[in-house]
Amino acid sequence: AQSVSQHNHHVILSEAASLELGCNYSYGGTVNLFWYVQYPGQHLQLLLKYFSGDPLVKGIKGFEAEFIKSKFSFNLRKPSVQWSDTAEYFCAVRPNTNAGKSTFGDGTTLTVKP
Amino acid sequence: KAGVTQTPRYLIKTRGQQVTLSCSPISGHRSVSWYQQTPGQGLQFLFEYFSETQRNKGNFPGRFSGRQFSNSRSEMNVSTLELGDSALYLCASSPRATNEKLFFGSGTQLSVL
Repeated sequence: AQSVSQHNHHVILSEAASLELGCNYSYGGTVNLFWYVQYPGQHLQLLLKYFSGDPLVKGIKGFEAEFIKSKFSFNLRKPSVQWSDTAEYFCAVRPNTNAGKSTFGDGTTLTVKP
Repeated sequence: KAGVTQTPRYLIKTRGQQVTLSCSPISGHRSVSWYQQTPGQGLQFLFEYFSETQRNKGNFPGRFSGRQFSNSRSEMNVSTLELGDSALYLCASSPRATNEKLFFGSGTQLSVL
């Protein structure tokens, strides 16, 4: 069974600081990787995803993530955060099979101070 | 296109009661999955349905069950409610039973007293 680990439970940054949220997964086969974001009072929505190809993927609002297969990692980054990035971020992994289920990490709450 | 709709938005029940939650996926989406979200524990997978068939099930007791109808709408049922069942229950849909992104609803907040 797959599992996902997000190392930071709560991150507090000032505006313009750089962000990196860690995500590691365990699974023996090929996976698809996702980052979802939940802004206060809103539903979960996709930030970015990796299926194959270039391991550096770009998402909405200036976010990017790098898939490092050898480290089973898919860390989320943003060079300069804004107050509006305050949200909860979830990493998810789904085996690349027809019946694969999505497994989510526990989430990281990001607070950006203006 | 309307998003994923979950009803009701809030529910208050007492221990021992039963509850049914409803989810209408995005039109054309055939896969529906359910998650339990609690503070600090992220999203725990409950089950996934595709074309009225349950394709995956998480590690929840048999009190948690679900079904999907021919129009892809799905219901989740929890019997003999326990205090620990208090959570936000999220439904997500995707077009096919493959590895696409999930579209989430706003959830049903269940409180068990």
